[in-house]
Amino acid sequence: DTGVSQNPRHKITKRGQNVTFRCDPISEHNRLYWYRQTLGQGPEFLTYFQNEAQLEKSRLLSDRFSAERPKGSFSTLEIQRTEQGDSAMYLCASSLGGSAGELFFGEGSRLTVL
Amino acid sequence: AQSVAQPEDQVNVAEGNPLTVKCTYSVSGNPYLFWYVQYPNRGLQFLLKYITGDNLVKGSYGFEAEFNKSQTSFHLKKPSALVSDSALYFCVPFISGTYKYIFGTGTRLKVLA
Repeated sequence: DTGVSQNPRHKITKRGQNVTFRCDPISEHNRLYWYRQTLGQGPEFLTYFQNEAQLEKSRLLSDRFSAERPKGSFSTLEIQRTEQGDSAMYLCASSLGGSAGELFFGEGSRLTVL
Repeated sequence: AQSVAQPEDQVNVAEGNPLTVKCTYSVSGNPYLFWYVQYPNRGLQFLLKYITGDNLVKGSYGFEAEFNKSQTSFHLKKPSALVSDSALYFCVPFISGTYKYIFGTGTRLKVLA
């Protein structure tokens, strides 16, 4: 399968713990996006990368959230000191460079904070 | 401010009937517009996009969308709905210069047998 891959698919954690999600984009895609989706809502933009550079970060992302994309390949999204309000589906998408390219989404990583 | 609106939370249509899912947008500059679909327990999938040119855009699974610049609308349509079309649909403007894709709350389509 050469699509966007996300791991783990589901993570259950206790409040205060740290969690990390990984996204492997389609190999030739140089843009990578993270979104968060809660029940009944559309995906909310969190951050995006062009190659290894993080070009924008939403104000939704508190200091407890950090994302990296070393070497412009896979990306990780870490949430420190999780809170119950962090429970959501975290979506990763990638696209080719250029303007208005199609976004290819992974199936998401669902976080449940107890 | 850049925004998108899907005025209907849910659309119900009988199988075989035509369907329309409405979308209006507010973006500066030339609009680049997408439709995505989210099936239960599956990732978001691309349906179609408008960049420039013909106002009627054809996409996957028999869907099409009509771009109307004066009304700032980009409604999704299908001539004959299938039960398998039941899903959550998102109209998504792309904000050039920021490379951001803006999702609204979506419209749930329910096709009744």
